[in-house]
Amino acid sequence: GESVGLHLPTLSVQEGDNSIINCAYSNSASDYFIWYKQESGKGPQFIIDIRSNMDKRQGQRVTVLLNKTVKHLSLQIAATQPGDSAVYFCAERGTDKLIFGTGTRLQVFP
Amino acid sequence: ETGVTQTPRHLVMGMTNKKSLKCEQHLGHNAMYWYKQSAKKPLELMFVYSLEERVENNSVPSRFSPECPNSSHLFLHLHTLQPEDSALYLCASSQEPTSRVYEQYFGPGTRLTVT
Repeated sequence: GESVGLHLPTLSVQEGDNSIINCAYSNSASDYFIWYKQESGKGPQFIIDIRSNMDKRQGQRVTVLLNKTVKHLSLQIAATQPGDSAVYFCAERGTDKLIFGTGTRLQVFP
Repeated sequence: ETGVTQTPRHLVMGMTNKKSLKCEQHLGHNAMYWYKQSAKKPLELMFVYSLEERVENNSVPSRFSPECPNSSHLFLHLHTLQPEDSALYLCASSQEPTSRVYEQYFGPGTRLTVT
């Protein structure tokens, strides 16, 4: 069946460093992926998306990389800030619905 | 109000109670969703409404009953819940269809505790 998973449940980084959050997916036919950020007490918030016909997409301080060969997705956050502390989910567009991973908690320390 | 709002934000109920969760979206979207978020588990899609018609029900127990009176409002009626139903219930909305690419906007959730 379809599944989306994350390699690390918790990632701790120092403020100012770059963060990389990884995600594996199993459905090679998926054509669209999204990264969400969920802060404590809030619902998930859209960060960035990427279609399967792309390998890389950049936003403001964030970059998503897609490796279809190994079915791997990553979110890179440049110059991580305390406000980046949250749980990050990847989601895969399955058959007319989103399939979410369990999430990675990003902790930023001074 | 902007975005997606949910009330109440916190709810404690006994197993014999009946309560309702409310969601309202102010984005002009035509699809709304209920998700359940439990600790250390992925978001679980419960119900989908598109153009006020239910298009998906992911084998959710009948003690959860959704209602979508119009494209801006979504309810989740709860009765005779179990302790394992304690979770964060998230509402989301989106504009469908937009080719095959879309994003869902989430509300802040209702933290439900069943005692």
